Amino acid sequence: TQLLEQSPQFLSIQEGENLTVYCNSSSVFSSLQWYRQEPGEGPVLLVTVVTGGEVKKLKRLTFQFGDARKDSSLHITAAQPGDTGLYLCAGAQRNRDDKIIFGKGTRLHILP
Amino acid sequence: DVKVTQSSRYLVKRTGEKVFLECVQDMDHENMFWYRQDPGLGLRLIYFSYDVKMKEKGDIPEGYSVSREKKERFSLILESASTNQTSMYLCASSEAGQGYEQFFGPGTRLTVL
Repeated sequence: TQLLEQSPQFLSIQEGENLTVYCNSSSVFSSLQWYRQEPGEGPVLLVTVVTGGEVKKLKRLTFQFGDARKDSSLHITAAQPGDTGLYLCAGAQRNRDDKIIFGKGTRLHILP
Repeated sequence: DVKVTQSSRYLVKRTGEKVFLECVQDMDHENMFWYRQDPGLGLRLIYFSYDVKMKEKGDIPEGYSVSREKKERFSLILESASTNQTSMYLCASSEAGQGYEQFFGPGTRLTVL
């Protein structure tokens, strides 16, 4: 059973459009992270959200943690080709030591 | 600049060979992780180490072992490589405690023929 479901799996849109990708679970997480992975590289952390309802902005990227801490979304405004990559969400659970659980990712392709 | 380095970017081995994948971090992190990444399956944890000489099995430890003799180095060993171990292997490290950022190496793409 996949604890973190990401949707959509693939997304291809034109430069300048807006998009939202989702990370959903039936489990509660103490914190949730979003990573971006470019081809041939390891994932790199974008943001960590900790509080239910929390919203964090990173330039054109807006991250939200659900009120119940079971889900999260990533919204990109005016997407650019440099946003292309694999976006992974990962959650930490209390009493589950320092491991985190990764979703399978959303592969995003921004067309110039 | 903080860094996690992996010994090889690409590796080709034959079935039955013993394979060593090395990972080194320069951030004095307590935790180190080995994952494999496969299309459609995402990142799956193979082994986790939270201290020197300490290790815990992850979700898919079968066919793998690990060694952590020094804090900065975490090795993944395939005792007898098989074709179903062809994959991208990613090493990561983090500080001790929940919710800390994991820093990843660039990955080793292993092909077992």
